[in-house]
Amino acid sequence: NAGVMQNPRHLVRRRGQEARLRCSPMKGHSHVYWYRQLPEEGLKFMVYLQKENIIDESGMPKERFSAEFPKEGPSILRIQQVVRGDSAAYFCASSPGQLLEAFFGQGTRLTVV
Amino acid sequence: AQSVTQLDSHVSVSEGTPVLLRCNYSSSYSPSLFWYVQHPNKGLQLLLKYTSAATLVKGINGFEAEFKKSETSFHLTKPSAHMSDAAEYFCVVSDSNTGNQFYFGTGTSLTVIP
Repeated sequence: NAGVMQNPRHLVRRRGQEARLRCSPMKGHSHVYWYRQLPEEGLKFMVYLQKENIIDESGMPKERFSAEFPKEGPSILRIQQVVRGDSAAYFCASSPGQLLEAFFGQGTRLTVV
Repeated sequence: AQSVTQLDSHVSVSEGTPVLLRCNYSSSYSPSLFWYVQHPNKGLQLLLKYTSAATLVKGINGFEAEFKKSETSFHLTKPSAHMSDAAEYFCVVSDSNTGNQFYFGTGTSLTVIP
């Protein structure tokens, strides 16, 4: 059973471009969480999704950020018109059920230049 | 509101000596508590979890933690530190009232001195 797979591991974008981060949950997991980690800080919750539904997006910035978890395929975190402040590590976690233990991916490190 | 406080941002121990990483939480409901470890430029690995069963929880790599409700603490310990234990450690809380979130502490960086 492969773990949570995130790609790319590293992503460099120029200001104004779009960043698209992918997360494939563990087999059998239908709950996906996205977290952002700024340098020297802990992880901050962004969004929680189940298949085809956004359950809680209270941690998502109101503009430029969106997330989806389609019926088929990975969960996608999309950041439009990136700015330098978006540079961070973005972690995805999956869980077999709400608030059961979460398994984290290796993260995508986004650098905006 | 739920929160997690990791009392030490940095802990330094000598190899072979005990490790204590402190964590206090606040939760209005019966919490689930976790410790995760993050090695440099790596993802997070679950060390152990408490979910209302035995209050002393044993995890991987010789780590364990004790849930103390009266002290609202969930400190992480290991009898003897190994060089490979050097990493960032996060205490995490969730409960039925957090909705859908795992709340992370700010992390404790563990240094192991040879």
